[in-house]
Amino acid sequence: QKEVEQNSGPLSVPEGAIASLNCTYSDRVSQSFFWYRQYSGKSPELIMSIYSNGDKEDGRFTAQLNKASQYVSLLIRDSQPSDSATYLCAVGRDNYGQNFVFGPGTRLSVLP
Amino acid sequence: GAGVSQSPSNKVTEKGKDVELRCDPISGHTALYWYRQSLGQGLEFLIYFQGNSAPDKSGLPSDRFSAERTGGSVSTLTIQRTQQEDSAVYLCASSFARTANTEAFFGQGTRLTVV
Repeated sequence: QKEVEQNSGPLSVPEGAIASLNCTYSDRVSQSFFWYRQYSGKSPELIMSIYSNGDKEDGRFTAQLNKASQYVSLLIRDSQPSDSATYLCAVGRDNYGQNFVFGPGTRLSVLP
Repeated sequence: GAGVSQSPSNKVTEKGKDVELRCDPISGHTALYWYRQSLGQGLEFLIYFQGNSAPDKSGLPSDRFSAERTGGSVSTLTIQRTQQEDSAVYLCASSFARTANTEAFFGQGTRLTVV
């Protein structure tokens, strides 16, 4: 079993819709979770971090964490064509909540 | 500095040559990471430095790969006797070890092409 798993996509949603991206992880003791966005040819950029069970909202983005189910998700409301990118889920593996392992990424396409 | 800085941005080398890639992390960040990303693929973990602890080298693909971090700051990734399969974007990231806000920030990457 891979440490961090994501659906590779592509996930296509119409402009203005909610995009839902999912991630599961295998190490039950993981404490820190992150979502990165990566445009083609660019480096990953941080969107959200979440450390506690529940929801965390930042603008159009909401991260959801369920440690019991080893599941973390990212919701993007009012999706825009500029949101079209690959979204990477990362999990911190060590006692600092670091030594990150990344999932393979989900490619999101927002259709105008 | 303001962000993670990597050099060079692009490197073309002949098969069999050695290359050195440099990463200058965000000032004060205790952790530094190297990842590799081949075209259309995900991030492959290479090595992780955390403060003065022994680095986690578990991701290095072969003994041709090595990395150093001098003075807890700048890191150099060295690839000896480069092969064509080493062609990829090499990404460096840094973060600060604390109880929260441990996010990693990436440099712009070094695109390595082995011909």
